[in-house]
Amino acid sequence: DIQMTQSPSSLSASVGDRVTITCRASRSISTNLNWYQQKPGKAPKLLIYAASSLQSGVPSRFSGSGAGTDFTLTINSLQPEDFVIYYCQQSYSTLWTFGQGTKVEIK
Amino acid sequence: EVQLVESGGGLVQPGGSLRLSCAASGFTFSSYSMTWVRQAPGKGLEWVSYISTSSDTIHYVDSVKGRFTISRDNAKKSLSLQMNSLRAEDTAVYYCARVSTPNYYNYYMDVWGKGTTVTVSS
Repeated sequence: DIQMTQSPSSLSASVGDRVTITCRASRSISTNLNWYQQKPGKAPKLLIYAASSLQSGVPSRFSGSGAGTDFTLTINSLQPEDFVIYYCQQSYSTLWTFGQGTKVEIK
Repeated sequence: EVQLVESGGGLVQPGGSLRLSCAASGFTFSSYSMTWVRQAPGKGLEWVSYISTSSDTIHYVDSVKGRFTISRDNAKKSLSLQMNSLRAEDTAVYYCARVSTPNYYNYYMDVWGKGTTVTVSS
């Protein structure tokens, strides 16, 4: 199985800050990497697919980059509704896996 | 409106069985692969199973192989997950999700249901 490791597990930031979340795969997954946002008690929501493509309807302050084993999710100008949990997920292998999640908290 | 609605969750004893269903609407169900993803209380997301459009390709996470069976009925626009020999560690919210692909190389889950809760306890 391909292991996905996110860092940090949590971070504190303020409204208006720029934050970056990193996701590392245990082996190369090309660009088969997706990012999801999950609010408390809600289903996950797709933000970024294929490493860098913004899902329709998602604000442009979200962006993704990377290929191979190292990927990043960047949120420019954090908004109050962005202080939730983010997950990366690989769909390269037949057995899909998620990262453990990164919780973005208000400083 | 594109929508997925799960049902069938509940409380079941260890070793018992449960069948989850997911009703799709607002899109051509037969054109999309589907998945199940679960989330144990206070934990992260875990992909559980995948089924292709015609059910010819099916995958499971190792921890449920031999116990869970995914299936679909394209005529009824329905996805199912038959769960047997349930264990305490199967306790979770179970989400069904639609799989999209722009190029048959990159795959992602772009539509999710609200989830149904499965509790395995005596």
